[in-house]
Amino acid sequence: KAGVTQTPRYLIKTRGQQVTLSCSPISGHRSVSWYQQTPGQGLQFLFEYFSETQRNKGNFPGRFSGRQFSNSRSEMNVSTLELGDSALYLCASSLMAGSDYEQYFGPGTRLTVT
Amino acid sequence: KQEVTQIPAALSVPEGENLVLNCSFTDSAIYNLQWFRQDPGKGLTSLLLIQSSQREQTSGRLNASLDKSSGRSTLYIAASQPGDSATYLCAVTGSARQLTFGSGTQLTVLP
Repeated sequence: KAGVTQTPRYLIKTRGQQVTLSCSPISGHRSVSWYQQTPGQGLQFLFEYFSETQRNKGNFPGRFSGRQFSNSRSEMNVSTLELGDSALYLCASSLMAGSDYEQYFGPGTRLTVT
Repeated sequence: KQEVTQIPAALSVPEGENLVLNCSFTDSAIYNLQWFRQDPGKGLTSLLLIQSSQREQTSGRLNASLDKSSGRSTLYIAASQPGDSATYLCAVTGSARQLTFGSGTQLTVLP
């Protein structure tokens, strides 16, 4: 069974631009979560989607948004990029939403903002 | 607010040694605890998931224990190998139903 895939793997953007990252969950998984990883803050939760609905949101500004499609694929968007948005963005999928289900992570998208 | 701490931040051991990684969390009202491995520049690989009602989980040379009341978990790695070199992260699912991660332990196993 294929794992979680994320595209693109690497991205370089300029401050002020916007970016869209994509995540395809494991087949049959319906919940997708997004995380930001930086050397200073570590891994931080962005949001979780299940059945095309945002179930949970971390403490990030409104510039960070996401959505989920009917096939469970998810996208996250960051508008008006700042230098501090440079990070590894990780997507995780699980069979269902909720705490009982193990999360499986993708390889991440490395975003560099210049 | 849940806080997760991992000690030590870095560890270097010779091949073949048994070792223990520690994780502590401030709010004992958790649903589960998960240990992950992360290789440089890569995503996370799930190693073990312990539900709040469980005391331990085992997978191969790995054994993780959970003491919810004291807010602690340990990851025991038996007979370490150079291929075990990676950063090990623990994360808890708390009342906010989201994973809160520790900052990780960077493990180096020397041949």
